[in-house]
Amino acid sequence: GENVEQHPSTLSVQEGDSAVIKCTYSDSASNYFPWYKQELGKGPQLIIDIRSNVGEKKDQRIAVTLNKTAKHFSLHITETQPEDSAVYFCAASDGNNRLAFGKGNQVVVIP
Amino acid sequence: NAGVTQTPKFQVLKTGQSMTLQCAQDMNHEYMSWYRQDPGMGLRLIHYSVGAGITDQGEVPNGYNVSRSTTEDFPLRLLSAAPSQTSVYFCASSYRYRGNSGNTIYFGEGSWLTVV
Repeated sequence: GENVEQHPSTLSVQEGDSAVIKCTYSDSASNYFPWYKQELGKGPQLIIDIRSNVGEKKDQRIAVTLNKTAKHFSLHITETQPEDSAVYFCAASDGNNRLAFGKGNQVVVIP
Repeated sequence: NAGVTQTPKFQVLKTGQSMTLQCAQDMNHEYMSWYRQDPGMGLRLIHYSVGAGITDQGEVPNGYNVSRSTTEDFPLRLLSAAPSQTSVYFCASSYRYRGNSGNTIYFGEGSWLTVV
């Protein structure tokens, strides 16, 4: 089955700086790559996703890039703010609704 | 908008007791699933369903049962709780995959379960 790995496990950034989280996946059939944000005591919430026919997608301060050849995808958060502090999960799917999740990254934005 | 609703939010069980975690969604999603979240382990799929009357096992199904009698509801049953089932449980739903669209999965707020 699909195996998704996330790095780093914890990331601390100064407010206003950029944060980058990288994920790798193993199954070349995967074609859907969502990112979820989980705040303390809450369920994961989708923040952005990308499909295999697209190399990059942006939504305000958040962007995701996908390199299918290298089987990795990354989340970029620019101009970080304290409310960006959370756990971020990447996931991959071959389109059968079953997501394989990474273990999560704790992002801490230091004011 | 209710979305995905889970109950209870918190529960303490004694070893060997049984209980059911309830999950309901009001988005007419065909696909529903249960995940457990443990420290350092991410989210692991327990069971899933692609429609009423159809269920299947995920990555960690042992000790759990599910049924799907309606589109809206997908309860998770612990038959004989064990301390290893102490975890946070999330129910999720989405439209069934159709081609290259419709894969957004929505999560409930979670159920914190402690087995002592």
